[in-house]
Amino acid sequence: KNEVEQSPQNLTAQEGEFITINCSYSVGISALHWLQQHPGGGIVSLFMLSSGKKKHGRLIATINIQEKHSSLHITASHPRDSAVYICAVLSNSGYALNFGKGTSLLVTP
Amino acid sequence: DARVTQTPRHKVTEMGQEVTMRCQPILGHNTVFWYRQTMMQGLELLAYFRNRAPLDDSGMPKDRFSAEMPDATLATLKIQPSEPRDSAVYFCASGLGINQPQHFGDGTRLSIL
Repeated sequence: KNEVEQSPQNLTAQEGEFITINCSYSVGISALHWLQQHPGGGIVSLFMLSSGKKKHGRLIATINIQEKHSSLHITASHPRDSAVYICAVLSNSGYALNFGKGTSLLVTP
Repeated sequence: DARVTQTPRHKVTEMGQEVTMRCQPILGHNTVFWYRQTMMQGLELLAYFRNRAPLDDSGMPKDRFSAEMPDATLATLKIQPSEPRDSAVYFCASGLGINQPQHFGDGTRLSIL
């Protein structure tokens, strides 16, 4: 069983919709990363957070350490947001990064 | 913009051959990561360096894989001998610490026939 679970696995939305991607983990962590992988394969780090909430443009990431859960929200979604979104957690030991399988998002015009 | 540079971008070779992948981290970054991505397993951390010293390579098959940083501007990942199951995209990333955002290279797409 993967220690990091993402849901949904696949998501299709219409342009303008509000999108939520969830990440649950089972180990104690010191930080959580959200990554975006474009159809061409490139990976971009969107957020790294250990508590609370971070916002960058239309993207918002939240984390609840007690519930071992994080969410990535996209407001006013756009076709260019179509990508795979990957959650990764850094364990308390500080060395091990565990990845979720990713959520494939397609935003249609 | 500063970027992590990986070479080669694509590599196709026969099983049993040695494969060397190279990564030039962003100047000034002191942490370097090697990842492997496959359809089945997704992204996996293979090795992690800080200030050129390997801190964690527990994700790497030791019998055939080796990772080094001969200097601060070059990280290498070698597979010898290569096997078809090594076919994957290998990403290098660099940053200012494991608790800091990571910058990814474009990856090396490796196919072992």
